[in-house]
Amino acid sequence: KAGVTQTPRYLIKTRGQQVTLSCSPISGHRSVSWYQQTPGQGLQFLFEYFSETQRNKGNFPGRFSGRQFSNSRSEMNVSTLELGDSALYLCASSLAGGIKNGNEQFFGPGTRLTVL
Amino acid sequence: TQLLEQSPQFLSIQEGENLTVYCNSSSVFSSLQWYRQEPGEGPVLLVTVVTGGEVKKLKRLTFQFGDARKDSSLHITAAQPGDTGLYLCAGVNTGFQKLVFGTGTRLLVSP
Repeated sequence: KAGVTQTPRYLIKTRGQQVTLSCSPISGHRSVSWYQQTPGQGLQFLFEYFSETQRNKGNFPGRFSGRQFSNSRSEMNVSTLELGDSALYLCASSLAGGIKNGNEQFFGPGTRLTVL
Repeated sequence: TQLLEQSPQFLSIQEGENLTVYCNSSSVFSSLQWYRQEPGEGPVLLVTVVTGGEVKKLKRLTFQFGDARKDSSLHITAAQPGDTGLYLCAGVNTGFQKLVFGTGTRLLVSP
């Protein structure tokens, strides 16, 4: 069974640009969550999607957005990039009930974004 | 805002030593998870503890959930170089679909 895949694995952008990251969940998983990981702030929740709808959202500015497609694949977009957006962006998938129902989240390897 | 503080932040030990990592919060969680993350990879779930006072063992790793479900500990016996990595605790709240991660403990086990 293939794991969670994320593309691209590495990305370099400059301030003011926008970026789109992609996540393909484990087959059969319909919940996809996104996290940002930085040395200073650790791992922080961005948002969670289920059935193409955002089900939960963290405390990030509106520059961070996401969407989910009918095949459960998800993308997240960051507009007007800032230096502080440099981070490892992790995607995690779980079964439909999500983590509140005790389902495990499986993480992808992440996309390392560097903003210059 | 819920916070999970882990201690110590960094730990460098020799193979064969024992260690304990702590995860503390002022908030109550319905369950608590422990992950290990290696460079270039996402976190991998080690264990979920659900009941206050619960103790779970995974080979040389022992996990405990505090009676009040606000804190947890991870004890590693006879550490090995393969235990090297970033250890993260994460709290789960009933009704929420997000994990609140701890600040992390970076462990280095030298041969």
